[in-house]
Amino acid sequence: AQSVTQLGSHVSVSEGALVLLRCNYSSSVPPYLFWYVQYPNQGLQLLLKYTSAATLVKGINGFEAEFKKSETSFHLTKPSAHMSDAAEYFCAVSGKAAGNKLTFGGGTRVLVKP
Amino acid sequence: DTGVSQDPRHKITKRGQNVTFRCDPISEHNRLYWYRQTLGQGPEFLTYFQNEAQLEKSRLLSDRFSAERPKGSFSTLEIQRTEQGDSAMYLCASSDNLIDYGYTFGSGTRLTVV
Repeated sequence: AQSVTQLGSHVSVSEGALVLLRCNYSSSVPPYLFWYVQYPNQGLQLLLKYTSAATLVKGINGFEAEFKKSETSFHLTKPSAHMSDAAEYFCAVSGKAAGNKLTFGGGTRVLVKP
Repeated sequence: DTGVSQDPRHKITKRGQNVTFRCDPISEHNRLYWYRQTLGQGPEFLTYFQNEAQLEKSRLLSDRFSAERPKGSFSTLEIQRTEQGDSAMYLCASSDNLIDYGYTFGSGTRLTVV
């Protein structure tokens, strides 16, 4: 069984400040981990993924995430927030034994203040 | 290729009516997934196909729900005797290789049952 917990359903940051979104996972098999972004009334867009290669993963739009097995975490960061980063972000876990289906966290909505 | 296409984008229906949604995946993708997303929540897995075979169904998929993928191309999701609790965004995604590419999501169909 797999599960994802995203700490904080809402995060407010000032433009130019660090964005940090927390994700902890549980998986009985080596996990594949993903971050997706969703804008209002849109589908989900892949930001980045971890698939057992480098533990520090760089994605689109300046985001990156670090896989820490000992902490079962995959937190998402961006050094400097931009107004266009306002959206909802979802962490997801999958694995070979899961039939490649994704299990999502509850999401974190990011508000960027000017 | 224009990505994953879902139709309609919005559907309002009266309780008790049947509705059908369509998903056209990226043409070379052999896997197709349906997810349901309620307000303020992450997407929840419903079912997936590899080519035309439906390989897994979630317990969320009651007997009022049925999905098909004839000929391994487009897919339909039908909900019979809709209930207000069925109101949600229904997301379709396709994948050729989860590890390399992740999923590509469509923009979703928002269902409102009144």
